[in-house]
Amino acid sequence: DQQVKQNSPSLSVQEGRISILNCDYTNSMFDYFLWYKKYPAEGPTFLISISSIKDKNEDGRFTVFLNKSAKHLSLHIVPSQPGDSAVYFCAALGGSNYKLTFGKGTLLTVNP
Amino acid sequence: DTAVSQTPKYLVTQMGNDKSIKCEQNLGHDTMYWYKQDSKKFLKIMFSYNNKELIINETVPNRFSPKSPDKAHLNLHINSLELGDSAVYFCASGGPGPGGTQYFGPGTRLLVL
Repeated sequence: DQQVKQNSPSLSVQEGRISILNCDYTNSMFDYFLWYKKYPAEGPTFLISISSIKDKNEDGRFTVFLNKSAKHLSLHIVPSQPGDSAVYFCAALGGSNYKLTFGKGTLLTVNP
Repeated sequence: DTAVSQTPKYLVTQMGNDKSIKCEQNLGHDTMYWYKQDSKKFLKIMFSYNNKELIINETVPNRFSPKSPDKAHLNLHINSLELGDSAVYFCASGGPGPGGTQYFGPGTRLLVL
């Protein structure tokens, strides 16, 4: 039972353009949503989060949008840079045991 | 300064063996976690400890036993290793307070032959 879904396993974008990574969830009890970035052979690193009471949070080139009615969030990266190439995990906090539940990840490739 | 460190980074072993993975954090967090990333790339929580006390155990086989000697350390011991235990194991610390930000170690790649 996947409560957090990232339906696109991969995304390829040109440098300088916008990258949009999507995430859907099923549990309306989630309190926070987070994005993590992971390079090969490293652990995930926290990127940005959003509370369930907000609809947007921005940090530099990264913006997360939350649409609670659609149970959907997205991460926008503008402008995309080659160093952004990584796997991006969407995660949600809450539910039973108040734990982080991760999506399967989306591999972003930013081409120079 | 490594915030969350794990040893070893790679572990290759035979079925039936017992092995341990160590984790240490220097962030002063009260809560530490073990996650497993399997071959399908799902990252799933296994255990959570808060100040040396077990608070989450996500139906993990009892061959897996976490041990927290103090709040800066959370070790994972695995008995009678099976082929299906092959995965990447990540330790993390932080959360679960508002924001739930967790900081992950580099992972331990376990291969059971």
